[in-house]
Amino acid sequence: NAGVTQTPKFQVLKTGQSMTLQCAQDMNHNSMYWYRQDPGMGLRLIYYSASEGTTDKGEVPNGYNVSRLNKREFSLRLESAAPSQTSVYFCASSDRSNQPQHFGDGTRLSIL
Amino acid sequence: DAKTTQPPSMDCAEGRAANLPCNHSTISGNEYVYWYRQIHSQGPQYIIHGLKNNETNEMASLIITEDRKSSTLILPHATLRDTAVYYCIVRPLWGSGGGADGLTFGKGTHLIIQP
Repeated sequence: NAGVTQTPKFQVLKTGQSMTLQCAQDMNHNSMYWYRQDPGMGLRLIYYSASEGTTDKGEVPNGYNVSRLNKREFSLRLESAAPSQTSVYFCASSDRSNQPQHFGDGTRLSIL
Repeated sequence: DAKTTQPPSMDCAEGRAANLPCNHSTISGNEYVYWYRQIHSQGPQYIIHGLKNNETNEMASLIITEDRKSSTLILPHATLRDTAVYYCIVRPLWGSGGGADGLTFGKGTHLIIQP
């Protein structure tokens, strides 16, 4: 049982490049989330999808777009990467919005 | 979401009980208390949650005061693998007008288990 799988695990980009971070869960969960974590800080919500076909902005959505491709997959896209987006990105899922969230191991993204 | 206050760091001897406090004095009646932990470089891990009754599972116990303004997470027999940052989070039920459904993480408590 893989849980929440994120790809890639590490990535280095140049300023202005675009990239899509992938997330898939095999727990048949309805809700999925993208967070970022900067050094020494807690996680901050970027976007979430309460159910298949819906997405909503979180606390820090600027510079990102998301796609809920199907019930299993929720991708995060950086259209024009900026150094301020250097961070560790975590994807999570939950059965319903008030249920515990299960997290992936993160994608470590550096933008030069 | 209501805000929480946690000590920035704590030490505990291996094999002893680790008691992690959390203040949430502005918690609303429909908000749950959740605890997560994050071991270095890994994604956060769910530990336990509760509304007003004490809760216990295979990982920990959660004690919530009667007025619900504070809680304590108890790891009964701490091991070196319990060294992590522990986050106390309060959030409303889904559909209760709480805005974004994500978790609001503070800086948590860095628990260090000493051998």
